[in-house]
Amino acid sequence: EADIYQTPRYLVIGTGKKITLECSQTMGHDKMYWYQQDPGMELHLIHYSYGVNSTEKGDLSSESTVSRIRTEHFPLTLESARPSHTSQYLCASSEYGAAEQFFGPGTRLTVL
Amino acid sequence: AQTVTQSQPEMSVQEAETVTLSCTYDTSESDYYLFWYKQPPSRQMILVIRQEAYKQQNATENRFSVNFQKAAKSFSLKISDSQLGDAAMYFCACDTGNQFYFGTGTSLTVIP
Repeated sequence: EADIYQTPRYLVIGTGKKITLECSQTMGHDKMYWYQQDPGMELHLIHYSYGVNSTEKGDLSSESTVSRIRTEHFPLTLESARPSHTSQYLCASSEYGAAEQFFGPGTRLTVL
Repeated sequence: AQTVTQSQPEMSVQEAETVTLSCTYDTSESDYYLFWYKQPPSRQMILVIRQEAYKQQNATENRFSVNFQKAAKSFSLKISDSQLGDAAMYFCACDTGNQFYFGTGTSLTVIP
């Protein structure tokens, strides 16, 4: 069973607020990812990390930032939330090399 | 550039029947993994089946099997004896270890 956790599961906030979406995994995976996904739509990679102190931007331009200070933790921060950030955010992790990704349950964000 | 293409945005199948979801990919790498993921409505994304490119034998997991045509870069998913619980978005993915891509997804409806 995949042990990857995301909090909060649901978040409704006002425009301009700073938020951090948490993602943790207990599998010791080197690789971690953040995706943005509108309901029933494709995944868009926004950030990924191949290990501690390694972060890269994905294919989708995003105003968010990430950090990877510990192997198990990969938080995503929005400095100033806007209604265009309303979406579902999925975190995933995988072993090094070509390997399946394990997904968290997601955070559904609504910015008013 | 590496890409994954799912040409069927939506598919439907009668309960107990068989359905095939299409996926084509393009990569210059000789060694890679292919995956099918399932995302039920409002639920977590999970792995359905995986195929190593160096293996000629098609992967099978219970009612799920793939038709892997390496020369044609095709990786279709066959679901036999479809069940109501199979209704979901299905994503095809390719991972070379250095790069990975998800397809845009196919929404599968199972008709009782």
